[in-house]
Amino acid sequence: EIVMTQSPATLSVSPGERVTLSCRASQSVSSRLAWYQQKPGQPPRLLIYAASTRATGIPARFSGSGSGTEFTLTISSLQSEDFAVYYCQQYNNWPSYTFGQGTKLEIK
Amino acid sequence: EVYLVQSGGVVVHPGGSLRLSCAASGFTFDEYTMHWVRQAPGKGLEWVALINWDGENPYYADSVRGRFTISRDNSKNSLFLQMNSLRIEDTALYYCVKCHSETTSVFDNWGQGTLVTVSS
Repeated sequence: EIVMTQSPATLSVSPGERVTLSCRASQSVSSRLAWYQQKPGQPPRLLIYAASTRATGIPARFSGSGSGTEFTLTISSLQSEDFAVYYCQQYNNWPSYTFGQGTKLEIK
Repeated sequence: EVYLVQSGGVVVHPGGSLRLSCAASGFTFDEYTMHWVRQAPGKGLEWVALINWDGENPYYADSVRGRFTISRDNSKNSLFLQMNSLRIEDTALYYCVKCHSETTSVFDNWGQGTLVTVSS
């Protein structure tokens, strides 16, 4: 099983700041990585797939990068609606998909 | 717009059985791979099972293989998850998920979830 490790577990930031979330895979997943956002009481929402491709309707302030074992999700200027939990998911090891444990973005 | 409407939550005893359902609309159901993903209370996400468009090749997470069965009825645009021999650790919110149009392994649209509580 490919283990996905996200850091940090919690990040306290202020609106308007730029933030970078990290995701590391225990072995290479090529570019087969997705990011999801989950707000309380809601299902996850797809943000990024193929490491850097924004999903339909996702604002340009969200960007993804990386390949192999190291990935980042960057939010260029945090909006109030961006405070949520973010998960990365690898899909290189089909069909044993695995998620990271999540990073919670909270208001500073 | 894609809609995935799931059945309501339920409480079941350990060792019991349960069938979840998901009614899909807003897309051509029989063209897409579908998944179940679960989330234990206060925890992260765990992929559970997938089924191809034709229902011929289901796959399961190790944690549920042999106990859960995923199926679909394309004539009724519906996805199912038969859950047998339920354990305490199966307690979770179960999401019905439609795959992305470009890759079957990315989870594009999610239902609202069905809470399954396994408790004595």
